[in-house]
Amino acid sequence: GAVVSQHPSRVICKSGTSVKIECRSLDFQATTMFWYRQFPKKSLMLMATSNEGSKATYEQGVEKDKFLINHASLTLSTLTVTSAHPEDSSFYICSATRPNTEAFFGQGTRLTVV
Amino acid sequence: AQSVTQPDIHITVSEGASLELRCNYSYGATPYLFWYVQSPGQGLQLLLKYFSGDTLVQGIKGFEAEFKRSQSSFNLRKPSVHWSDAAEYFCAVGAGGGATNKLIFGTGTLLAVQP
Repeated sequence: GAVVSQHPSRVICKSGTSVKIECRSLDFQATTMFWYRQFPKKSLMLMATSNEGSKATYEQGVEKDKFLINHASLTLSTLTVTSAHPEDSSFYICSATRPNTEAFFGQGTRLTVV
Repeated sequence: AQSVTQPDIHITVSEGASLELRCNYSYGATPYLFWYVQSPGQGLQLLLKYFSGDTLVQGIKGFEAEFKRSQSSFNLRKPSVHWSDAAEYFCAVGAGGGATNKLIFGTGTLLAVQP
């Protein structure tokens, strides 16, 4: 199957700083990438849909100015958590798709804001 | 709106016993359905998917699932569970009817396997 790489796998940052998470499709061109957030012992909640070369579409309740998403190429999307606060601590997972196939998931990023 | 329900939050089975994880969905048309497995601190691995055709779907690791339109269900089964199957299992439906569209996930079922 297709490989999606997410980096970093773990990050600890200080409150008020920004953190960037990368999602790369290693062996295919991803027309669409999705960003999910998973709270402890909870399901995955979609944050935004990212199409290459266009602005991301955010789900209701997700602050677009706090969670900046960039999809500059067909193999890379980034999620930047700006001015992070402890409540932003979570597990973030990306997925990538190409036409008429299922989504392939990255291994996730554990963000801890201290 | 599309939704997915996994009624069982936590299930414990003995190694070697059979397993069935329940999943019900709400969707107006023929859904794209998926089962994923997640180990602690890891991403999601696709076990199997249903797009169309045969309603009994075979997946990896000996898992299978059956799509039952009349019951709006897509239950996951395995005839003999191994200790390595302990993980969290998520059922998902492709929102908007497309396989490549965003996924709506159930709340997950945590599987524990007793020796």
